[in-house]
Amino acid sequence: TQLLEQSPQFLSIQEGENLTVYCNSSSVFSSLQWYRQEPGEGPVLLVTVVTGGEVKKLKRLTFQFGDARKDSSLHITAAQTGDTGLYLCAGVSGNTPLVFGKGTRLSVIA
Amino acid sequence: EPEVTQTPSHQVTQMGQEVILRCVPISNHLYFYWYRQILGQKVEFLVSFYNNEISEKSEIFDDQFSVERPDGSNFTLKIRSTKLEDSAMYFCASSPGTGYGYTFGSGTRLTVV
Repeated sequence: TQLLEQSPQFLSIQEGENLTVYCNSSSVFSSLQWYRQEPGEGPVLLVTVVTGGEVKKLKRLTFQFGDARKDSSLHITAAQTGDTGLYLCAGVSGNTPLVFGKGTRLSVIA
Repeated sequence: EPEVTQTPSHQVTQMGQEVILRCVPISNHLYFYWYRQILGQKVEFLVSFYNNEISEKSEIFDDQFSVERPDGSNFTLKIRSTKLEDSAMYFCASSPGTGYGYTFGSGTRLTVV
C-alpha cells in the first residue's frame, strides 16, 4: 500500500507570511498532484508534477517534486486569507488510481 | 469550464436500504472514479472504471457496492444494503487519461440512520 504522509497536519499563520508544506512517501510515484479542498466540496486540482526535480509555479504557489519522485513540497509566498483551506497531495504510480494523503489544514489569519 | 456533476447533494437513508448516487463526468474523459471521505478522514479510493468495466477496486468496494455507466453519460454508484459506517461524502471524479489530474464533483453527503 502506498502511503503519503503530509506535514504539518495543521498550520496557522499571519497574512503575509511564507509557508511550506510537505508530502513524503517511501514509494516512488509517476506523478504527484496537489489539490485544495474547501469544506463540503470536492478536491480541486492545483498542479500535477511528473518529472523528478520539477518545479512549477502557480502565482504565489511553488510546487516541487523530489529528485527521487518520492516527495513533494508546496511553498506559498505572502499568504493571504483566501489561501485558507485543506491542501492535499495525491500520487499515482503506473496505472494505479490516485492515492491521497491526509492533508494539511492551513489557516491564514488577517 | 467543464465540471463533474453529482446528484443528490445530500441523501439520508435508513440502514439496510439501497441508495444510488449519480454522476455526470466530463464528456470527453475516459476514466471514472468513485472516492469517499468519512468526516475528518482522508479521501479514500473506492473504484475506477474504464472502457465500460471496473479497472480497479479497493477493499472497501465489497459485494454491497456496484457501479454502472448505463447510458454513456451517467456514472452511478449503488450501495445495496447501507450500513451506518457507509455514512460519508462520496465523490465522483473523471480524468482524460492516466497521469492526468482528476476533476472531482462536489460530492454527495450520504447519511445512514
